[in-house]
Amino acid sequence: KAGVTQTPRYLIKTRGQQVTLSCSPISGHRSVSWYQQTPGQGLQFLFEYFSETQRNKGNFPGRFSGRQFSNSRSEMNVSTLELGDSALYLCASSPDTLAWGEQYFGPGTRLTVT
Amino acid sequence: DAKTTQPPSMDCAEGRAANLPCNHSTISGNEYVYWYRQIHSQGPQYIIHGLKNNETNEMASLIITEDRKSSTLILPHATLRDTAVYYCIVRVRAPNAGGTSYGKLTFGQGTILTVHP
Repeated sequence: KAGVTQTPRYLIKTRGQQVTLSCSPISGHRSVSWYQQTPGQGLQFLFEYFSETQRNKGNFPGRFSGRQFSNSRSEMNVSTLELGDSALYLCASSPDTLAWGEQYFGPGTRLTVT
Repeated sequence: DAKTTQPPSMDCAEGRAANLPCNHSTISGNEYVYWYRQIHSQGPQYIIHGLKNNETNEMASLIITEDRKSSTLILPHATLRDTAVYYCIVRVRAPNAGGTSYGKLTFGQGTILTVHP
């Protein structure tokens, strides 16, 4: 079974721009979560989607948003990029909702904001 | 979610058992103990989880104390490829849990395990 895939793997953007990252979960998995990882803050939960509905949300500003499609694929969007948004963005999928299933992580998208 | 405390780093010789401790003294009755690891430049990898009984799978064993205030992850025969950051996490694991405060994976700083030849 193929693992979680994320595209693109690397991205360079300029401050003020917006960016969209994509995640394809493991086949059959219905829950997708997003995390931000930085050297200073470590791994932080962004949000979780299940059956196209946001079920859980971390403490991030409204510039961070996401959505899930009927095929469980998910996208996250960051608008008005700031230098501090430079990070590794990780997507994880789970067979069931976040509270129940174990999560399987993708390789991440490395975003650099200049 | 209950907070966990782990040593910042540990060393282990290749072929020996690696025992990684975790303190979770404020764990509540419906919180499970999960372990993940992250090898450099990769996404975290699920290892094992448990509630109160000891658990074993093909990767590791998890020993949880009777009072559930601490646990130990055991890698029975560590290899160089086990060098990684190991995260101990406690979180609610329940079906159909609603609300916004259940189930999030809250990662701490973890333990950097270095396996040396």
